Amino acid sequence: DAKTTQPPSMDCAEGRAANLPCNHSTISGNEYVYWYRQIHSQGPQYIIHGLKNNETNEMASLIITEDRKSSTLILPHATLRDTAVYYCIVTFSGTYKYIFGTGTRLKVLA
Amino acid sequence: DTAVSQTPKYLVTQMGNDKSIKCEQNLGHDTMYWYKQDSKKFLKIMFSYNNKELIINETVPNRFSPKSPDKAHLNLHINSLELGDSAVYFCASSQMGQGADTQYFGPGTRLTVL
Repeated sequence: DAKTTQPPSMDCAEGRAANLPCNHSTISGNEYVYWYRQIHSQGPQYIIHGLKNNETNEMASLIITEDRKSSTLILPHATLRDTAVYYCIVTFSGTYKYIFGTGTRLKVLA
Repeated sequence: DTAVSQTPKYLVTQMGNDKSIKCEQNLGHDTMYWYKQDSKKFLKIMFSYNNKELIINETVPNRFSPKSPDKAHLNLHINSLELGDSAVYFCASSQMGQGADTQYFGPGTRLTVL
Protein backbone atom coordinates (compact mmCIF):
# COMPACT_ATOMS: atom_id res chain seq x y z
CA ASP A 1 0.00 0.00 0.00
CA ALA A 2 1.08 3.55 -0.68
CA LYS A 3 2.49 5.43 2.30
CA THR A 4 1.06 8.72 1.08
CA THR A 5 -2.36 10.35 1.07
CA GLN A 6 -3.33 12.99 -1.47
CA PRO A 7 -6.61 14.74 -2.32
CA PRO A 8 -8.16 13.10 -5.38
CA SER A 9 -8.58 16.31 -7.35
CA MET A 10 -7.87 20.04 -7.36
CA ASP A 11 -8.52 22.97 -9.66
CA CYS A 12 -6.22 25.94 -10.18
CA ALA A 13 -6.61 29.08 -12.26
CA GLU A 14 -4.05 29.58 -15.01
CA GLY A 15 -1.22 31.84 -13.89
CA ARG A 16 -1.84 31.20 -10.20
CA ALA A 17 0.24 29.03 -7.92
CA ALA A 18 -0.88 25.42 -7.57
CA ASN A 19 -0.26 23.98 -4.10
CA LEU A 20 -0.58 20.20 -3.96
CA PRO A 21 -0.49 18.65 -0.49
CA CYS A 22 0.67 15.19 0.51
CA ASN A 23 0.50 13.43 3.86
CA HIS A 24 3.15 10.85 4.72
CA SER A 25 2.81 10.50 8.48
CA THR A 26 4.68 7.16 8.64
CA ILE A 27 7.75 8.34 6.73
CA SER A 28 11.02 7.05 8.15
CA GLY A 29 14.22 9.03 8.61
CA ASN A 30 15.97 7.89 5.46
CA GLU A 31 13.00 8.07 3.12
CA TYR A 32 12.85 10.70 0.43
CA VAL A 33 9.73 12.44 -0.82
CA TYR A 34 9.38 12.32 -4.59
CA TRP A 35 6.91 14.03 -6.87
CA TYR A 36 6.01 12.85 -10.35
CA ARG A 37 3.28 13.78 -12.74
CA GLN A 38 1.53 11.92 -15.51
CA ILE A 39 0.07 13.93 -18.33
CA HIS A 40 -2.76 12.00 -19.97
CA SER A 41 -1.34 8.48 -20.47
CA GLN A 42 2.28 9.46 -20.96
CA GLY A 43 5.06 8.04 -18.80
CA PRO A 44 5.37 9.52 -15.30
CA GLN A 45 7.60 12.59 -15.37
CA TYR A 46 10.00 13.35 -12.54
CA ILE A 47 9.43 16.76 -10.95
CA ILE A 48 11.41 17.08 -7.74
CA HIS A 49 12.48 15.23 -4.59
CA GLY A 50 13.71 16.07 -1.11
CA LEU A 51 14.71 14.59 2.21
CA LYS A 52 14.43 17.25 4.89
CA ASN A 53 15.08 20.64 3.36
CA ASN A 54 12.87 22.56 1.01
CA GLU A 55 13.90 22.19 -2.62
CA THR A 56 13.39 24.24 -5.76
CA ASN A 57 14.12 23.57 -9.38
CA GLU A 58 13.00 24.97 -12.71
CA MET A 59 9.70 23.11 -12.52
CA ALA A 60 8.53 23.43 -8.94
CA SER A 61 9.23 23.92 -5.25
CA LEU A 62 8.92 21.27 -2.57
CA ILE A 63 8.11 22.28 0.98
CA ILE A 64 8.56 19.58 3.62
CA THR A 65 7.30 20.20 7.15
CA GLU A 66 9.78 20.08 9.97
CA ASP A 67 8.36 16.79 11.31
CA ARG A 68 8.45 15.45 7.72
CA LYS A 69 4.92 14.12 8.01
CA SER A 70 3.62 16.16 5.12
CA SER A 71 4.81 18.11 2.11
CA THR A 72 3.50 20.50 -0.51
CA LEU A 73 4.43 20.70 -4.16
CA ILE A 74 4.17 24.23 -5.51
CA LEU A 75 3.87 25.04 -9.20
CA PRO A 76 4.44 28.81 -9.04
CA HIS A 77 2.58 29.85 -12.20
CA ALA A 78 0.36 27.04 -13.41
CA THR A 79 -0.33 26.74 -17.13
CA LEU A 80 -2.84 24.61 -19.01
CA ARG A 81 -0.01 22.19 -19.79
CA ASP A 82 0.34 21.46 -16.07
CA THR A 83 -3.01 19.65 -16.10
CA ALA A 84 -2.04 16.14 -15.02
CA VAL A 85 -2.17 13.55 -12.24
CA TYR A 86 0.46 14.35 -9.60
CA TYR A 87 1.91 11.55 -7.50
CA CYS A 88 3.68 11.90 -4.19
CA ILE A 89 5.90 8.92 -3.32
CA VAL A 90 8.09 8.17 -0.32
CA THR A 91 10.96 5.78 -0.79
CA PHE A 92 14.58 5.18 0.17
CA SER A 93 17.51 4.04 -1.86
CA GLY A 94 17.65 0.30 -2.35
CA THR A 95 13.96 -0.51 -2.34
CA TYR A 96 14.08 -1.02 -6.12
CA LYS A 97 10.50 0.13 -6.58
CA TYR A 98 8.09 3.01 -6.20
CA ILE A 99 4.70 2.44 -4.65
CA PHE A 100 2.27 4.76 -6.37
CA GLY A 101 -0.93 5.93 -4.73
CA THR A 102 -3.92 7.34 -6.56
CA GLY A 103 -2.42 10.82 -6.91
CA THR A 104 -4.11 14.19 -7.29
CA ARG A 105 -5.74 15.11 -10.57
CA LEU A 106 -4.88 18.79 -11.09
CA LYS A 107 -6.95 20.70 -13.58
CA VAL A 108 -5.67 24.11 -14.60
CA LEU A 109 -8.52 26.33 -15.73
CA ALA A 110 -8.24 29.09 -18.34
CA ASP B 1 17.92 11.36 -27.89
CA THR B 2 15.16 9.76 -25.85
CA ALA B 3 16.44 8.67 -22.43
CA VAL B 4 14.15 5.67 -21.97
CA SER B 5 12.50 4.28 -25.07
CA GLN B 6 10.01 1.47 -25.57
CA THR B 7 8.82 -0.42 -28.61
CA PRO B 8 6.20 -0.84 -29.76
CA LYS B 9 4.07 2.08 -28.62
CA TYR B 10 0.86 0.17 -29.33
CA LEU B 11 0.31 -3.57 -29.45
CA VAL B 12 -2.99 -5.20 -30.36
CA THR B 13 -3.16 -8.98 -30.30
CA GLN B 14 -5.42 -11.96 -29.79
CA MET B 15 -5.82 -13.99 -26.62
CA GLY B 16 -3.38 -16.86 -26.40
CA ASN B 17 -0.65 -15.17 -28.44
CA ASP B 18 2.90 -14.53 -27.25
CA LYS B 19 4.33 -11.00 -27.53
CA SER B 20 7.37 -9.00 -26.45
CA ILE B 21 7.91 -5.39 -25.45
CA LYS B 22 11.38 -3.88 -25.62
CA CYS B 23 12.95 -1.19 -23.49
CA GLU B 24 16.25 0.64 -23.86
CA GLN B 25 17.83 3.37 -21.77
CA ASN B 26 20.80 5.53 -22.76
CA LEU B 27 21.33 7.08 -19.33
CA GLY B 28 24.01 4.64 -18.23
CA HIS B 29 21.83 3.48 -15.34
CA ASP B 30 22.33 0.12 -13.65
CA THR B 31 18.72 -0.57 -12.65
CA MET B 32 15.64 -1.05 -14.81
CA TYR B 33 12.00 -1.65 -14.03
CA TRP B 34 8.69 -2.69 -15.52
CA TYR B 35 5.46 -1.15 -14.22
CA LYS B 36 1.88 -1.92 -15.23
CA GLN B 37 -0.92 0.66 -15.32
CA ASP B 38 -4.34 -0.94 -15.51
CA SER B 39 -7.63 0.50 -16.73
CA LYS B 40 -8.24 2.08 -13.34
CA LYS B 41 -4.94 3.93 -13.73
CA PHE B 42 -3.17 2.20 -10.84
CA LEU B 43 0.58 2.07 -11.46
CA LYS B 44 2.20 -1.01 -10.00
CA ILE B 45 5.72 -2.38 -10.04
CA MET B 46 6.18 -5.72 -11.78
CA PHE B 47 9.94 -6.34 -11.95
CA SER B 48 13.22 -4.67 -11.01
CA TYR B 49 16.62 -5.56 -12.42
CA ASN B 50 19.96 -4.37 -11.11
CA ASN B 51 23.05 -5.06 -13.23
CA LYS B 52 21.05 -7.64 -15.21
CA GLU B 53 20.02 -9.50 -12.04
CA LEU B 54 16.36 -9.87 -11.09
CA ILE B 55 15.80 -8.09 -7.77
CA ILE B 56 12.04 -7.81 -7.51
CA ASN B 57 9.23 -9.95 -8.91
CA GLU B 58 5.98 -8.65 -7.51
CA THR B 59 3.79 -11.75 -7.71
CA VAL B 60 3.54 -11.50 -11.43
CA PRO B 61 2.25 -14.62 -13.24
CA ASN B 62 5.04 -16.69 -14.73
CA ARG B 63 3.58 -16.03 -18.17
CA PHE B 64 5.54 -12.78 -17.86
CA SER B 65 9.27 -13.25 -18.33
CA PRO B 66 11.61 -10.28 -18.25
CA LYS B 67 15.01 -10.55 -19.84
CA SER B 68 17.95 -8.20 -19.49
CA PRO B 69 20.60 -8.90 -22.15
CA ASP B 70 22.69 -6.00 -20.86
CA LYS B 71 22.35 -3.09 -18.45
CA ALA B 72 20.83 -0.83 -21.11
CA HIS B 73 18.02 -3.18 -22.13
CA LEU B 74 15.12 -4.84 -20.34
CA ASN B 75 12.59 -6.72 -22.42
CA LEU B 76 9.27 -8.17 -21.35
CA HIS B 77 7.96 -11.33 -22.95
CA ILE B 78 4.39 -12.38 -22.31
CA ASN B 79 3.13 -15.88 -23.10
CA SER B 80 -0.47 -16.96 -23.61
CA LEU B 81 -1.90 -13.46 -23.42
CA GLU B 82 -5.14 -13.01 -21.50
CA LEU B 83 -7.77 -10.27 -21.62
CA GLY B 84 -6.64 -9.06 -18.19
CA ASP B 85 -3.18 -8.34 -19.53
CA SER B 86 -4.57 -5.35 -21.40
CA ALA B 87 -2.86 -2.34 -19.84
CA VAL B 88 -0.15 0.24 -20.38
CA TYR B 89 3.31 -1.06 -19.54
CA PHE B 90 6.01 1.40 -18.53
CA CYS B 91 9.72 0.80 -18.40
CA ALA B 92 11.91 2.91 -16.12
CA SER B 93 15.55 3.16 -15.13
CA SER B 94 17.61 4.58 -12.29
CA GLN B 95 21.12 4.60 -10.94
CA MET B 96 21.49 3.00 -7.54
CA GLY B 97 23.58 4.96 -5.13
CA GLN B 98 23.63 6.45 -1.72
CA GLY B 99 20.56 8.46 -1.01
CA ALA B 100 17.90 8.97 -3.60
CA ASP B 101 17.62 7.04 -6.84
CA THR B 102 15.39 8.90 -9.23
CA GLN B 103 13.55 6.76 -11.74
CA TYR B 104 13.04 7.93 -15.32
CA PHE B 105 10.13 6.47 -17.21
CA GLY B 106 9.59 5.55 -20.83
CA PRO B 107 6.56 6.62 -22.86
CA GLY B 108 4.69 3.38 -22.32
CA THR B 109 3.38 0.51 -24.45
CA ARG B 110 -0.38 0.17 -24.68
CA LEU B 111 -1.24 -3.51 -24.93
CA THR B 112 -4.73 -4.50 -26.01
CA VAL B 113 -5.70 -8.16 -25.91
CA LEU B 114 -8.81 -9.08 -27.91
